[in-house]
Amino acid sequence: NAGVTQTPKFQVLKTGQSMTLQCAQDMNHNSMYWYRQDPGMGLRLIYYSASEGTTDKGEVPNGYNVSRLNKREFSLRLESAAPSQTSVYFCASGAPWGGVREKLFFGSGTQLSVL
Amino acid sequence: AQKITQTQPGMFVQEKEAVTLDCTYDTSDPSYGLFWYKQPSSGEMIFLIYQGSYDQQNATEGRYSLNFQKARKSANLVISASQLGDSAMYFCAMREGYSSASKIIFGSGTRLSIRP
Repeated sequence: NAGVTQTPKFQVLKTGQSMTLQCAQDMNHNSMYWYRQDPGMGLRLIYYSASEGTTDKGEVPNGYNVSRLNKREFSLRLESAAPSQTSVYFCASGAPWGGVREKLFFGSGTQLSVL
Repeated sequence: AQKITQTQPGMFVQEKEAVTLDCTYDTSDPSYGLFWYKQPSSGEMIFLIYQGSYDQQNATEGRYSLNFQKARKSANLVISASQLGDSAMYFCAMREGYSSASKIIFGSGTRLSIRP
C-alpha cells in the first residue's frame, strides 16, 4: 500500500522558474493538504482540498496555485519561484473524519531550494 | 480563529523519565480533533495519538497519552519512560470541524532531546 506519494523528492530552481509538485494518495481520502516547513519550524498550511474540483486557501497561500485533478491527485504549482519559497513541502491526506483512530497521512516531503 | 500554541521550543530529559509536552489550542467550534506527530531527524511525519473533542476518556497509545483538559483548552502529550529514540521534533495539530473541508493546522513544535 503506497499511501501518499510525492514527487520529486528534491528540486533546485532558479528565481523566476516555475514547477509543479505532484501528490497522489491511494486511500480514497476526501481531504488533501499541502504544507511547507521552513528550517526548525512547524508546518504551515498552504492550500487544502475537500474534494475533487474544490480548493481552499490555508495560512500561507501567496505565490502558490493548486489543482485537485481527481480524488487521488492534488498538485502544487509555483508559477515564479522566489528564494522565500525555499522549504520542505509536505502533502497529506485524510478523512472522512470522526473515527476513533483517525489520522492525517503524510508523504515523504519535497526539499525545494530556490537560488 | 483556529490556533495552536506550543510554548516549549526545546526540552532536555533524562532517559527513562516521563516527559510532558505542552499544547494549547483555541477554537469556537465545539467539534474538533487534536493530533500529535513526531518528526525525527530523517524528516518523516509519524502519527502518535489522536483525541476527539467529544471523547470522554484521554487517548492512550502505548507509552504515549494525551492529557486532554477541555475547559483549559490544553492537549498535552505525555511520554512515559522516555527512550533515546524519542529524541525528535514533536508537533501538536488541530482539525476544526468534522467535514472533509476542515482545515488542519500545526503548532510550531517542541524539540525533545533525551540524555543517556
